Amino acid sequence: QVQLQESGPGLVKPSETLSLTCTVSGDSINLYFWSWIRQPAEKGLEWIGRIATSGSSNYNPSLKSRVSMSTDTSKNQFSLKLNSMTAADTAVYYCARDSGWSNWFDPWGQGTLVTVSS
Amino acid sequence: QSVLTQPPSVSAAPGQKVTISCSGSSSSIGSNYVSWYKQLPGTAPKLLIYDNNKRPSGIPDRFSGSRSGTSATLGITGLQTGDEADYYCGTWDTSLSAGVFGGGTKLTVL
Repeated sequence: QVQLQESGPGLVKPSETLSLTCTVSGDSINLYFWSWIRQPAEKGLEWIGRIATSGSSNYNPSLKSRVSMSTDTSKNQFSLKLNSMTAADTAVYYCARDSGWSNWFDPWGQGTLVTVSS
Repeated sequence: QSVLTQPPSVSAAPGQKVTISCSGSSSSIGSNYVSWYKQLPGTAPKLLIYDNNKRPSGIPDRFSGSRSGTSATLGITGLQTGDEADYYCGTWDTSLSAGVFGGGTKLTVL
């Protein structure tokens, strides 16, 4: 059974960089793409981007200038960095396994709330 | 503003059938597979339908998906109170080279 778990700070100051890690168990991250998706309170889902251990990646054009993703095969983890954080980036951040070319997400991590505030 | 358009809410009585629409474009739904997700309050979304009309293991056949042109539809029959949730459609947008979601539809089982 594949499980994903997000980890990282729950509070980030404005203008700082968010760093989140997703630890995958029950599957190798060498298979599939791995995505980050966020959801502001009472709002819909927003796809942030995805990465594969091959180095292939895609990012949401609206966030591309601020986003970077990486993988760590030794730890079976993948990570997200989002810089220049503002209050508009406050959201629950999910990591998910991405099927790749057909772009469906399963399973998802439980999500982690990130609040941007001084 | 979401790339995919869903109705904000739908409702139906227990035991009845409901459909949720998802409208996109030639570069999104018109060219790529559609998936559907169910989200209960305070929990992560759960995959219901992938590749337009396929159900993952464990998803009952009360849930169905279809795609026609630049639109997709999620159907739920034999509605139960446990079906009350937010439902999202998703796909890839070839022009954006990005994943996109609908704004979500809140299903109320009256």
